[in-house]
Amino acid sequence: NAGVTQTPKFRVLKTGQSMTLLCAQDMNHEYMYWYRQDPGMGLRLIHYSVGEGTTAKGEVPDGYNVSRLKKQNFLLGLESAAPSQTSVYFCASTRAGTGNEQFFGPGTRLTVL
Amino acid sequence: SQQGEEDPQALSIQEGENATMNCSYKTSINNLQWYRQNSGRGLVHLILIRSNEREKHSGRLRVTLDTSKKSSSLLITASRAADTASYFCARDTGGGNKLTFGTGTQLKVEL
Repeated sequence: NAGVTQTPKFRVLKTGQSMTLLCAQDMNHEYMYWYRQDPGMGLRLIHYSVGEGTTAKGEVPDGYNVSRLKKQNFLLGLESAAPSQTSVYFCASTRAGTGNEQFFGPGTRLTVL
Repeated sequence: SQQGEEDPQALSIQEGENATMNCSYKTSINNLQWYRQNSGRGLVHLILIRSNEREKHSGRLRVTLDTSKKSSSLLITASRAADTASYFCARDTGGGNKLTFGTGTQLKVEL
C-alpha cells in the first residue's frame, strides 16, 4: 500500500496563478483533510471531507476550494494564488467514526512569488 | 484560534535521558493525539488517549491526560538520536474527526 500520496512535491507559482494539489489514498478511508503548515504555527485545517461528494470548511478556508469526486481522491485548488499562501500543504485521511488516527502524506511545498 | 500551547518549544537532551513535552488546551475534547514529524516529512501518529483515560503507554512512550487542568504530557524514556523530531499534540473536539494541532516541541537528542 502506498498510503497517502500527494502531487506535486514542490511548486513555484506567480501571484494570481492557479493550481490544483492532488491527494490520493489507497486505504479506503472515508474522511480526508487538507492542512497547511507555516513556521511556528503547527498545522491548520483548510477543508475536510467526510465522504465522496461532501466537503466542509476548516479553520482557514479562504482562498481555497476543494472537491471529493472519488472516495480515494481529495483535490485542493488555489484559484488566484497569493504570497500569503506560501506554505507546506499536507493531506491526511482516516476511517469514519471517532478516535481514529490520521495518516498523512509527505507534503507539498508551495512558494508563491 | 483554538490552538493550544505546547512547551517547551525546543528541548535538547543527551541520548539515554528522558524527554517530557507538555500540551495545554482550552476546549473540551473527545481524545488527544500525539504525532511526530521528522524534518521535511509528513506527520506520523504516535499515541491516542481518550478523554476518560488518564494514562497510556506504548513502548517507550507514556502519555498522561488531566482533563480538569486541560493538559497532557508526553514522556519519551531512554531517548535515542532517532527520536530527534518535532512532536505535536492534536485535540479531537468532535465532528468529522477534525484535529486542532498545537505549535509543537522540537526535540533534539544528542549523542
